Amino acid sequence: NSKVIQTPRYLVKGQGQKAKMRCIPEKGHPVVFWYQQNKNNEFKFLINFQNQEVLQQIDMTEKRFSAECPSNSPCSLEIQSSEAGDSALYLCASRGVYEQYFGPGTRLTVL
Amino acid sequence: ARKVTQTQTSISVVEKTTVTMDCVYETRDSSYFLFWYKQTASGEIVFLIRQDSYKKENATVGHYSLNFQKPKSSIGLIITATQIEDSAVYFCAMREDRGSALGRLHFGAGTQLIVIP
Repeated sequence: NSKVIQTPRYLVKGQGQKAKMRCIPEKGHPVVFWYQQNKNNEFKFLINFQNQEVLQQIDMTEKRFSAECPSNSPCSLEIQSSEAGDSALYLCASRGVYEQYFGPGTRLTVL
Repeated sequence: ARKVTQTQTSISVVEKTTVTMDCVYETRDSSYFLFWYKQTASGEIVFLIRQDSYKKENATVGHYSLNFQKPKSSIGLIITATQIEDSAVYFCAMREDRGSALGRLHFGAGTQLIVIP
């Protein structure tokens, strides 16, 4: 039921390398979220945007992660220097009035 | 402290029977929203059903329904006439309405449902 598009589906990087993933939110959804889901199925909120503006981001995101949601372009999440602990499923979600709809995720493996 | 708690790690049921998955939450907000999602084996997360805190009626969508017990801060998911394809991990989530992160979701740990033929 989701129309959120995420690319790539899989990403493999070496430690210290940049990792970039993209998200196209559902049309008409002004709020976009990024979550990280680890191998234990735990979700961690990273950052969210409303109409290109950052609403909130966690400390981890502020240090090595960068994200943007420009108008007329996909949103993106980039890890500047990947670490083994960054290996996870990165989920983009967009919200209409109530529910958040999730994309298929980008599974990042850091070797 | 975890705001959303799912204590059932895994449940196995026989096809066509009814299953209930438990979830309790913690919030100080007077207005909040509760959601259930399922995550399939491929990793896809699908929205199932929503309960608004100010509504007394239990939400129902298809063969999903909720048992909302506000005094107990509980929101159980009931799946009737289970099908093989219902096998997935089910997550309970809460969105508070304070607006500090404009609707970020707090997730439970998930309950794996296995439907046996």
